[in-house]
Parts: sequence; structure tokens; C-alpha cells
Amino acid sequence: GAVVSQHPSWVICKSGTSVKIECRSLDFQATTMFWYRQFPKQSLMLMATSNEGSKATYEQGVEKDKFLINHASLTLSTLTVTSAHPEDSSFYICSARPHRRSNQPQHFGDGTRLSIL
Amino acid sequence: GNSVTQMEGPVTLSEEAFLTINCTYTATGYPSLFWYVQYPGEGLQLLLKATKADDKGSNKGFEATYRKETTSFHLEKGSVQVSDSAVYFCALVLYNQGGKLIFGQGTELSVKP
Repeated sequence: GAVVSQHPSWVICKSGTSVKIECRSLDFQATTMFWYRQFPKQSLMLMATSNEGSKATYEQGVEKDKFLINHASLTLSTLTVTSAHPEDSSFYICSARPHRRSNQPQHFGDGTRLSIL
Repeated sequence: GNSVTQMEGPVTLSEEAFLTINCTYTATGYPSLFWYVQYPGEGLQLLLKATKADDKGSNKGFEATYRKETTSFHLEKGSVQVSDSAVYFCALVLYNQGGKLIFGQGTELSVKP
């Protein structure tokens, strides 16, 4: 149980395009989802907390107009990297916490490797 | 503030060796503690957890005990396998502070046959 699906797993695109990454909780509802960015051989950096039906909360230094987050349902959150540039290339990981079970651990997707040419 | 510190890697061991990865934390409240494992090119998988002092989390031969007096949550395994090669992250969460996970820097483990 507690499966989180992230799609796509790998994307390569040209500089200037926008890329959407989906994060779905497959067998549970998630009021809260988290988006992380990970550079090679480094830890995860929390970018934003996504709450169903409300605006995302961004961490300091993360551009909210650059990284658009939408959490339209209890099972889906999306991260859109707008006008992507090579410096946005990274490994993006989402996680989800079960609805109304705020003391349960987060479950992670398998990540999306984004490469901007 | 709240933070997690892990021993630096990479850690290289022979198969069947004993593993310890140190993790210490600082927290302003009463955190829950976790170990996550990340295999190459994948996301994180929860390995084990402990929610209060003296709790022992265990899974797949790995163990960690929540030590409040030393603010530690060291990961141990008695006999590692090649398949245990991965990056291990220690993390804490304070559910009364928004539930954000705070990660250590990760420790890469390489097990040789």
C-alpha cells in the first residue's frame, strides 16, 4: 500500500519550454504533497508544500512563478517548470502524506529526471 | 533550529560486514525519526521509523533506536549484502510544525562481494 506514482520518469527538452510533472497517490488520498529537488550526490531540498484546494507554500529562495504547483484533487499534484533553462536540470521528487493521518510518514514517488538542453 | 547530521560517506564494506551509519539530530520539539533508502535513479523508500524515545525501528535486518539522551538514531545491520548498496538518509519530522521532513545529507553505502 501507500504507492505514489510520478510521471514522467525522465524528460529531455529544449531551453524555453515548460515541463509538467505529475504526482499521484494511487491507493490513498493526500491532503498534502511535497516537492523536492535533488542535485547529484546531495540531499533533498524541499521546494514547496502543496495543499489540496489552496495555494502552495514555497520555501525561501524558490521562485513560485518559475515552479508552478497545482493540487486540484486529493490524489494529484502537478509541478510545472516554466520556461525551463539548463540550470533547472535536476532530479525532482514528490511525496505525499495520507489524508487526515498527519502523523504518518510521507511516501515518495520514484522521481523525475529533467534535462534541459 | 531543527537539523539532522549524518556521518559522511561513502562507506565501503565487504559483504557480511557489520554496518553502522551515525545520525544525530537537533530539534525544538519531540520529533519522529526516519531512515529512508534511495537506490540509484529512484525515489526514496521508507526503511524504518521511530516515533518516541527508546523506540526501536526495524526492517529487512536494519535497526535504529531513538536515543533522546544522545539525540541519536544510528542505523545498524549485522550482515550487509551487495543489494544494500544505496544512499541512506536520516530524517526527522515535527508534526506540530507543518510536518516537513528535515533530511540529513545522506550516506552512500557500497557493499563489495
